[in-house]
Amino acid sequence: TQLLEQSPQFLSIQEGENLTVYCNSSSVFSSLQWYRQEPGEGPVLLVTVVTGGEVKKLKRLTFQFGDARKDSSLHITAAQPGDTGLYLCAGFYNQGGKLIFGQGTELSVKP
Amino acid sequence: DTEVTQTPKHLVMGMTNKKSLKCEQHMGHRAMYWYKQKAKKPPELMFVYSYEKLSINESVPSRFSPECPNSSLLNLHLHALQPEDSALYLCASSLSPGALNQPQHFGDGTRLSIL
Repeated sequence: TQLLEQSPQFLSIQEGENLTVYCNSSSVFSSLQWYRQEPGEGPVLLVTVVTGGEVKKLKRLTFQFGDARKDSSLHITAAQPGDTGLYLCAGFYNQGGKLIFGQGTELSVKP
Repeated sequence: DTEVTQTPKHLVMGMTNKKSLKCEQHMGHRAMYWYKQKAKKPPELMFVYSYEKLSINESVPSRFSPECPNSSLLNLHLHALQPEDSALYLCASSLSPGALNQPQHFGDGTRLSIL
């Protein structure tokens, strides 16, 4: 079974704090995607990382893909209440073409 | 606004009812997906359609019956569901079946409650 381990599963922080979410596997991914889901809505794609060692920035969000393409991280700087939501990492393996999701991180940012 | 439209947004049905969930996209995507999602959990893949043909069935019980009438529409027919089937049902699409690294575009889901 191909698993994506995502941590932490729950995170409650104050506005202005920094945080990092991790996504790890023993398998190599062709790519990793990060999604954010708000209550009552479907997941929305934030970024896709493809190349080992890649770093992408989206305003206060920084995404990294590990050199071996087995892990990824999402770092949020100076979190805002609007960042509250369920963050999901998801990976494509070379076979099957299925998107495999991590367990998700429920983030709550309090004003 | 999402580019994948799902109807209805909410559905309450008894265990003996028959109902259908609908999904529509006009982005020219040729891969479409059904996922089931429980609260605070990740989506679980149910079915994948590639070029209007069923390509993946993740051992889903037969009380769920998918249908893809054309490249823009995807249905999920429901019959004799159980209370544990209560969940958010998400539809998604992507450009090319089997092409790696492509994003999936999700609808906002149908919140299904089984009485």
